[in-house]
Amino acid sequence: NAGVTQTPKFQVLKTGQSMTLQCAQDMNHNSMYWYRQDPGMGLRLIYYSASEGTTDKGEVPNGYNVSRLNKREFSLRLESAAPSQTSVYFCASSEGARGKQYFGPGTRLTVL
Amino acid sequence: AQSVAQPEDQVNVAEGNPLTVKCTYSVSGNPYLFWYVQYPNRGLQFLLKYITGDNLVKGSYGFEAEFNKSQTSFHLKKPSALVSDSALYFCAVRDPSNDYKLSFGAGTTVTVRA
Repeated sequence: NAGVTQTPKFQVLKTGQSMTLQCAQDMNHNSMYWYRQDPGMGLRLIYYSASEGTTDKGEVPNGYNVSRLNKREFSLRLESAAPSQTSVYFCASSEGARGKQYFGPGTRLTVL
Repeated sequence: AQSVAQPEDQVNVAEGNPLTVKCTYSVSGNPYLFWYVQYPNRGLQFLLKYITGDNLVKGSYGFEAEFNKSQTSFHLKKPSALVSDSALYFCAVRDPSNDYKLSFGAGTTVTVRA
């Protein structure tokens, strides 16, 4: 039982490049989330997926897109990376809205 | 809009001493509050939550939190800190209009010295 896994662990991009962050969970959870963590700001919700087939915006969705590929997988895409998107990105999952969230190990992204 | 504040960026304690990490909240309606811990280079781990009921909530690793409605606080406590408790601690509050959304505080770095 790996829990929540994320790939890659580290990534360096140039401004304007695109990339997709992958997330998978093996706990049969319905809900999945993408957060970004910046120093002094805690975690901020980018997008979430309440259940397979649905996605909704969080607090800071601009510049990002998501895809809930199936119940296990939830990807985050940066179409044209900007230095302001330099951050640590965390994926999380939960059984439902009120379940505790389980977090992946994170992806450290640097945009030059 | 709901929010939480963690007034201390850092807390330093000696091993064996009591540990308190402070959190105050602002939310309309009933607060659903959480504490998470992040160890270096790891994702966040759930410690405990308050939804309703007893004001003292017990969680993982010997931690507990005291909910105080009049002071709008939800402080995390541990009677006797361990060096292994050194980590980054986050308080969070659920959005009363959307159960999926949590608002996190900025975090408090706890250092426990041997």
